[in-house]
Amino acid sequence: GAVVSQHPSWVICKSGTSVKIECRSLDFQATTMFWYRQFPKQSLMLMATSNEGSKATYEQGVEKDKFLINHASLTLSTLTVTSAHPEDSSFYICSARSVREQYFGPGTRLTVT
Amino acid sequence: AQSVTQPDIHITVSEGASLELRCNYSYGATPYLFWYVQSPGQGLQLLLKYFSGDTLVQGIKGFEAEFKRSQSSFNLRKPSVHWSDAAEYFCAVGGPTNTGNQFYFGTGTSLTVIP
Repeated sequence: GAVVSQHPSWVICKSGTSVKIECRSLDFQATTMFWYRQFPKQSLMLMATSNEGSKATYEQGVEKDKFLINHASLTLSTLTVTSAHPEDSSFYICSARSVREQYFGPGTRLTVT
Repeated sequence: AQSVTQPDIHITVSEGASLELRCNYSYGATPYLFWYVQSPGQGLQLLLKYFSGDTLVQGIKGFEAEFKRSQSSFNLRKPSVHWSDAAEYFCAVGGPTNTGNQFYFGTGTSLTVIP
């Protein structure tokens, strides 16, 4: 199957700072990528759909000014958590959509202190 | 509305015993169905998928799943569970891109394996 990478895999940042997470589809071009958030012992919660060359579509309740998504190329989408707070600490997972399925990245553990 | 239900939040089985994890879905178009496994602190690993054709699907690690359209179900099975199968299991449904891009996940079933 296709490979999706995320970087970094783990990041610690101080409250008030911003952190950027990269999601790359390594062997196919993804016009659509997704960003999920997962709290401990819970399922994936879709945050936003990232479309190459256009603005991301955010799910209800997700602050688009806080979670900035950029999908500048067919192989790269980035999620920037701005002015991070401890409640933003979570596991963030991206996926890239092919014709019939999604390929998931390994996830990024964000801890805000 | 599109949704996935995994009725069992937590299941405990003895090593060597058989396993069945339930998944029911609601989807307005031709469903594509998936089972993923997630170990603690890790990403999702695809176990198996169903797009069309034979309704009994074989996956990795000895897992299989059966698509039953009449019951809107896609239950995951394994004849003999290993201790390393302890993890969180997610069922998901999606469809062709012309029916929408989004995939829908169940809430997950946590599997504990007793030695």
